[in-house]
Amino acid sequence: NAGVTQTPKFQVLKTGQSMTLQCAQDMNHNSMYWYRQDPGMGLRLIYYSASEGTTDKGEVPNGYNVSRLNKREFSLRLESAAPSQTSVYFCASSRQFYGYTFGSGTRLTVV
Amino acid sequence: QKEVEQDPGPLSVPEGAIVSLNCTYSNSAFQYFMWYRQYSRKGPELLMYTYSSGNKEDGRFTAQVDKSSKYISLFIRDSQPSDSATYLCAMLWRDDKIIFGKGTRLHILP
Repeated sequence: NAGVTQTPKFQVLKTGQSMTLQCAQDMNHNSMYWYRQDPGMGLRLIYYSASEGTTDKGEVPNGYNVSRLNKREFSLRLESAAPSQTSVYFCASSRQFYGYTFGSGTRLTVV
Repeated sequence: QKEVEQDPGPLSVPEGAIVSLNCTYSNSAFQYFMWYRQYSRKGPELLMYTYSSGNKEDGRFTAQVDKSSKYISLFIRDSQPSDSATYLCAMLWRDDKIIFGKGTRLHILP
């Protein structure tokens, strides 16, 4: 049982480049989330999707876009990367009231 | 005032000791209370969750919730070096939204 799979695991981008972080879950969860984790800042919600076809902004959505491609997949796109977006990105999925299952993260460096 | 407060540590204790990790919160609307464990370079994993005030035990771990004081705790008995990780408290606010504490780094010294 794979759980939540994130790709890539590591990425280095130049300022202004774009990229898409991929996330897929095989647990038939309705809700999916994208977080970033920075030292001293904890986990901050970027976007979430309560169900297929819906997305909503979280605490720090600026500079990001998302797509809920189907029930399994939820991607995060950086259109024009900035050094402030250097972070570790986590995707998570959930079944209501049972907490989140997280992926192993993508370490992104923007130079 | 931040909604969830958690001491970042690091907290260093000798192997075998009892560890106490704590969080305070300000929003009385919080419902479910959770603890996540995060090993270095890994994603957080759900350790325990509880709904009501009181204690919940799972092996060496005990989660305690005091809604009247807006205070939650995680106790680890007979701590092991493998318990060294960052522990994040988390609270379910509404629908599926969870508010996380910033985490406490724990080191168990052999």
